[in-house]
Formats: sequence, structure tokens, C-alpha cells
Amino acid sequence: AQSVTQLDSHVSVSEGTPVLLRCNYSSSYSPSLFWYVQHPNKGLQLLLKYTSAATLVKGINGFEAEFKKSETSFHLTKPSAHMSDAAEYFCVVSGDLTGTASKLTFGTGTRLQVTL
Amino acid sequence: DAGITQSPRHKVTETGTPVTLRCHQTENHRYMYWYRQDPGHGLRLIHYSYGVKDTDKGEVSDGYSVSRSKTEDFLLTLESATSSQTSVYFCAISEEAGANTGELFFGEGSRLTVL
Repeated sequence: AQSVTQLDSHVSVSEGTPVLLRCNYSSSYSPSLFWYVQHPNKGLQLLLKYTSAATLVKGINGFEAEFKKSETSFHLTKPSAHMSDAAEYFCVVSGDLTGTASKLTFGTGTRLQVTL
Repeated sequence: DAGITQSPRHKVTETGTPVTLRCHQTENHRYMYWYRQDPGHGLRLIHYSYGVKDTDKGEVSDGYSVSRSKTEDFLLTLESATSSQTSVYFCAISEEAGANTGELFFGEGSRLTVL
């Protein structure tokens, strides 16, 4: 069984300040982890993914995430927020070893607000 | 952007009527998925397909059926819509098995309201 918890449903930051979106996971296996972003009235887009290579993963638009097995966390960060970062962000875990194409578990999302 | 088109993008219908949502891809990807998105629940998988005429149930499949007669088209049908099926529906595609790569490409969604 696997699960993912996004610890904040809403985060507000000022433009130019750092962003931290928190995600904890639970998995019976060594998981693959992902962050997706959803802008208003759009589909989801992959930001970055961790698949057991380097624990610090860099994604698009300056975002990065660090896999910490001891803390079962995969927090998303960005050094300096931009207005265009305002969106909803989803943490996703995949750890099922059956190999089917359906074993992704989505978090409930964190809405990022960026203010001037 | 991945070539994924969902239709209709918006639909209002009444309880008890049938509804079909269509997903069309131009990427020739093997795997196709239907998700629903509801506040506080994230995305939940309804059904998925791993090839023409090959489909399987997801987490929330009750009340839904799917069909895939061509690689490019994946249809989601609500045989008799209920108010609990009011949601935003997303189609997604992937080239490899989602559990291995996790890289899904999403359509822009279909907003369904059941009165």
C-alpha cells in the first residue's frame, strides 16, 4: 500500500521569496516520486521526478526537490517565487511493483499563491 | 504540448441521462487513463487502457464504463449520470507504464455538472 500527504493545502509567498511545498509519502517499496503543477483551467504538467537516482532532483522553471528516505519526504522548493508560479501542485507516489500502468497515488494538492 | 483533445470541455446534464466523454490523442501512446478531480481528493483513477480493446478498472470505477476501439480514442461513459459524478474529468496518456515512469501527459479537462 502507498499514500502521500501534502502537509499544506494552501501556501502564500511574496514574489522573490523562497517557496517550500511539503510532501510526505508512505510506500511498502522503494518509491518513485513526482511533482506535477496545474495552472487554472489546465491539465497537469510534470515538474520533476525521482526514480532512485540522485536524491536531489531538478525540474523545470527552477524548481527542485530532495528525496529523504529517513524522513519519508519529498519537499518541493524554489529559491525565488515568480508570479507565474501561482498554481496548484500535486505530489505523486508510485511504489507498486505489479508493473501495471495504474499505480500512481496523487496527493490532495497545495495551492500556491504569489503576492507582490 | 502533447496532442490530447478532450470533448466536450463543458457539459451540463440531468440525473439519469447518459453521458460520453471523448479523449483523442495524436501521440500514438499505448496507455490512456481517465481521472476525476474533486476538491480535497486530488486525482483519482477511474479506468485505464493498455491497448486497443484492453481496459481495466481504477480506484473509482463504479458507474463508469470505457471503450477503446482505436489507439487514438478513449471514451468514458456514464450510463446514468448522478449528482455525485459532477466533477472535472481528465484524460491522460503515457508511453510507458505509469508505474514505471509516472510521466503522464494530461488533457485540459472536461467539466461535467449533473443537475
